[in-house]
Amino acid sequence: QKEVEQNSGPLSVPEGAIASLNCTYSDRVSQSFFWYRQYSGKSPELIMSIYSNGDKEDGRFTAQLNKASQYVSLLIRDSQPSDSATYLCAVNEAAGNKLTFGGGTRVLVKP
Amino acid sequence: ETGVTQSPTHLIKTRGQQVTLRCSSQSGHNTVSWYQQALGQGPQFIFQYYREEENGRGNFPPRFSGLQFPNYSSELNVNALELDDSALYLCASSLASETDTQYFGPGTRLTVL
Repeated sequence: QKEVEQNSGPLSVPEGAIASLNCTYSDRVSQSFFWYRQYSGKSPELIMSIYSNGDKEDGRFTAQLNKASQYVSLLIRDSQPSDSATYLCAVNEAAGNKLTFGGGTRVLVKP
Repeated sequence: ETGVTQSPTHLIKTRGQQVTLRCSSQSGHNTVSWYQQALGQGPQFIFQYYREEENGRGNFPPRFSGLQFPNYSSELNVNALELDDSALYLCASSLASETDTQYFGPGTRLTVL
C-alpha cells in the first residue's frame, strides 16, 4: 500500500522564524508532489506543486524534492500567525491523477 | 476561491439512511475526484470520474457510488450510512493529467447519528 508519512506535530514556531516540514513517500515512481494548507474546518488550499528534484520557491514558501530519498519538504520563511494551520503533503500516483495524502503536520506560529 | 462548489455545506443523517452530495467542477476541468477526510486525518481517495466514467477507485465499499454529468458536475452517493461515514467529503476538480493540480471545493460535513 502506497504511503505518505508526515510528523503530526504540532510544530511550534516563533513569529518571523522558519518552519520546516517534512514528508516521505513509499511509491518510488511517484511523479507529482503537492503541499496543501488546511485551516481548521476548511478545505485544503494548494500552496505548492513540485515535479523535479531540487528547490522551488514561491514567495515565502520553498518546496524541496529528493526523489532518490523519496523525500519532499516545505519551508515557510518569516512565519506569520496566519500560517498557523495543518499542512498536508500529497503525492500523485504514477498511474493516474489520484492523490495520496499524509496525515498532515499542524503548525502553530506564536507571536 | 477555486471555482469548485459543493452542496450541501452540512448534513445530518441517521444510520442506515442514504445521502447524495453534489459538486460542480471548475470551468474547463473534466475530472472530478472525491475524498473522505475523517477528523484529524488526511483526505482519503474515494474515486475519480473522467468524462462521465469512473476512472479509479480507492478502498471504499460499493455502497459508495458516484456519477458525473455531461457538464462535468458530479454526485457522490452513500447508501446504508454507518457512524464511521461521519467526515468531511471533499470534491476536487482537475484536468486529466498525471501532473495536473487538483483544486478542492469547500467540502460537505456529514454527521451520521
